[in-house]
Amino acid sequence: DVKVTQSSRYLVKRTGEKVFLECVQDMDHENMFWYRQDPGLGLRLIYFSYDVKMKEKGDIPEGYSVSREKKERFSLILESASTNQTSMYLCASSPPVSTDTQYFGPGTRLTVL
Amino acid sequence: EDKVVQSPLSLVVHEGDTVTLNCSYEVTNFRSLLWYKQEKKAPTFLFMLTSSGIEKKSGRLSSILDKKELFSILNITATQTGDSAVYLCASGYNFNKFYFGSGTKLNVKP
Repeated sequence: DVKVTQSSRYLVKRTGEKVFLECVQDMDHENMFWYRQDPGLGLRLIYFSYDVKMKEKGDIPEGYSVSREKKERFSLILESASTNQTSMYLCASSPPVSTDTQYFGPGTRLTVL
Repeated sequence: EDKVVQSPLSLVVHEGDTVTLNCSYEVTNFRSLLWYKQEKKAPTFLFMLTSSGIEKKSGRLSSILDKKELFSILNITATQTGDSAVYLCASGYNFNKFYFGSGTKLNVKP
C-alpha cells in the first residue's frame, strides 16, 4: 500500500514564526502536492513538484514556499506565519502522468495564534 | 473561471436509504473526474472517470460521468452509518493538477 506521512497531525504556532511541514512518501512517486483545506472552499493547491528540485505554483502560493531535495520528501514552508494560514494542510503524491490517482497523507491541522 | 461545484453541501439520511451526490465542472483541458471519501483523516480514492456513460461500480457505490453536460453523480445504495463522511469531487486538468469541489457532507443516521 502507498504510504504518505506528514510530520505532525496538529501544530500550534505564533504569528511571525517560520513553520515547516514535512511530507514523506514511500512509493517512489514523481509527483507531490501540497493543498490546504478550508470549510466551504474544498482543497486548494498551494504548490506541486514533479521531480527533485522542481516545483510549480498552484492556485494559492502566496505566503508559502516549498523544498524538494529528495524524491520522497516534500516540505512546505511558511516563512512568517499569519492567522489566515490557520488551516488543514494535506500532502499528496502520485505516480507519473499515466494515472491521475493521488494518495493523500493524514493532514496537519495548523493553528496560528 | 475553472470550477468544480458539488451539491448538496450536506445531506442527512437514514440507514438503508439511497443517496445521489452531484458534481458539475467547468475545467479547461479536462482530463478526468475523481471521487474521494474523507472521514476524519486523509481522503481515500473511490473512482476515476474519463469516459462518458460508463458506470464504475464498487459494492454499493457507483458513479457515472456525462462529458456533454459536464457533470458526474455518485450513488450510494443501502446506506450504512459507515458511509458518513465528506465526499469530494475533483477534476483533473493539464499535467496531473486537480480542481476540487467543496465537498458534500453525508450523515447517515441509524
